[in-house]
Amino acid sequence: DAKTTQPNSMESNEEEPVHLPCNHSTISGTDYIHWYRQLPSQGPEYVIHGLTSNVNNRMASLAIAEDRKSSTLILHRATLRDAAVYYCILRAPIQGGKLIFGQGTELSVKP
Amino acid sequence: KAGVTQTPRYLIKTRGQQVTLSCSPISGHRSVSWYQQTPGQGLQFLFEYFSETQRNKGNFPGRFSGRQFSNSRSEMNVSTLELGDSALYLCASSLNSDFSNEQFFGPGTRLTVL
Repeated sequence: DAKTTQPNSMESNEEEPVHLPCNHSTISGTDYIHWYRQLPSQGPEYVIHGLTSNVNNRMASLAIAEDRKSSTLILHRATLRDAAVYYCILRAPIQGGKLIFGQGTELSVKP
Repeated sequence: KAGVTQTPRYLIKTRGQQVTLSCSPISGHRSVSWYQQTPGQGLQFLFEYFSETQRNKGNFPGRFSGRQFSNSRSEMNVSTLELGDSALYLCASSLNSDFSNEQFFGPGTRLTVL
């Protein structure tokens, strides 16, 4: 299965930007990079996804390295509500496109 | 638009019993996936259904099965329950099986096996 590596935990201060890294050195050309997050006691929530180019939406930005072996999820101004576990996932056609979750990064936000 | 709904939200069963969980996807969504979440193993993919056909299956024993109806609603069944089946079972729906589509998750069914 396509694998990603993320730090177990990160801390941020409220209203500061947060950069969540993800390594996916075995990514293949057709694998999409998806990010989901899971708030306490809730199901996962889609954040953003991309293939090759950087992506922006109302929640976050996704910066993808030129060789696509790593990516960074950017929260521009962290709020207390952004405290969650963030999962970086490769969605691989060769695996039927299923979401394979790793351990994720637990983000804590300090006021 | 209503989100993904799962019933029941909580369930307590004993070893050896069987259980059926239900998932209603977002209106218009035709793909439904199921995941199991435990503290030890994290989130693991169970299976995906699209237009009443199982398209993908994770590495779970045959005791875990599912189906999808013509209205896209889905059920999963676990037979001969074991203590290790205690978990949060999550259902996710998406418009179709396109790999660029986002999946929308329900709140989950918390299953406890005694």
